[in-house]
Amino acid sequence: EVQLLQSGGGLVQPGGSLRLSCAASGFTFTTSWMSWVRQAPGKGLEWVADINPDGNSRKYVDSVKGRFTISRDNSDNSLYLQVDGLRDEDTAVYYCARDDVKMGGWGAFDIWGRGTVVTVSS
Amino acid sequence: VMTQSPLSLPVTLGQPASISCRSSQSLVYKDGNTYLNWFQQRPGQSPRRLIYKVFNRDSGVPDRFSGSGSGADFTLKISRVEAEDVGVYYCMQGTSWPYTFGQGTKLEI
Repeated sequence: EVQLLQSGGGLVQPGGSLRLSCAASGFTFTTSWMSWVRQAPGKGLEWVADINPDGNSRKYVDSVKGRFTISRDNSDNSLYLQVDGLRDEDTAVYYCARDDVKMGGWGAFDIWGRGTVVTVSS
Repeated sequence: VMTQSPLSLPVTLGQPASISCRSSQSLVYKDGNTYLNWFQQRPGQSPRRLIYKVFNRDSGVPDRFSGSGSGADFTLKISRVEAEDVGVYYCMQGTSWPYTFGQGTKLEI
């Protein structure tokens, strides 16, 4: 079964850190671009970060540059998002997704996780 | 910037629906492709891809959904709305970084 299993969210104080994880199965993770997309409470979707199959090319939305780091472990079919320097406005559901670049083209997220909640509050 | 309209779309079952998505710049990439995608998010669920590269419908997506457009102006159409279509629809461009979503259009019966 094709799936992305997410973990790692929680409640954290402003300035704190978390590591979000996403375990892939049922597809060839090692040749897939992967992404993180977030959704603040009651708001729309916002793309956060993307990483290429080799892990040596990363893209970020401006609002998280220098604070968030996307990474992957192809030996373990896992995707990560290290979130540091958290702010109130980072409170959101964070989704991992496959960026189906080969078939669907850029930004054609075809596989989504169920999301993990990050709440930033003192 | 991706601008969707309307933001709220009340429809009657069996009637058509149309959502507009306009970009502040052309979405034609240097390779000639247009990376404009449509996603559906049903209440309480993760988003789901419906359409990629303007008009390509995903397998399993009913053929009442169709995408069209070119350049900077795109449309998602539902020929006959069914109850299961309730949710929020997003367009998203992948032509340039950062990827950007439209604000979302909430479809309700």
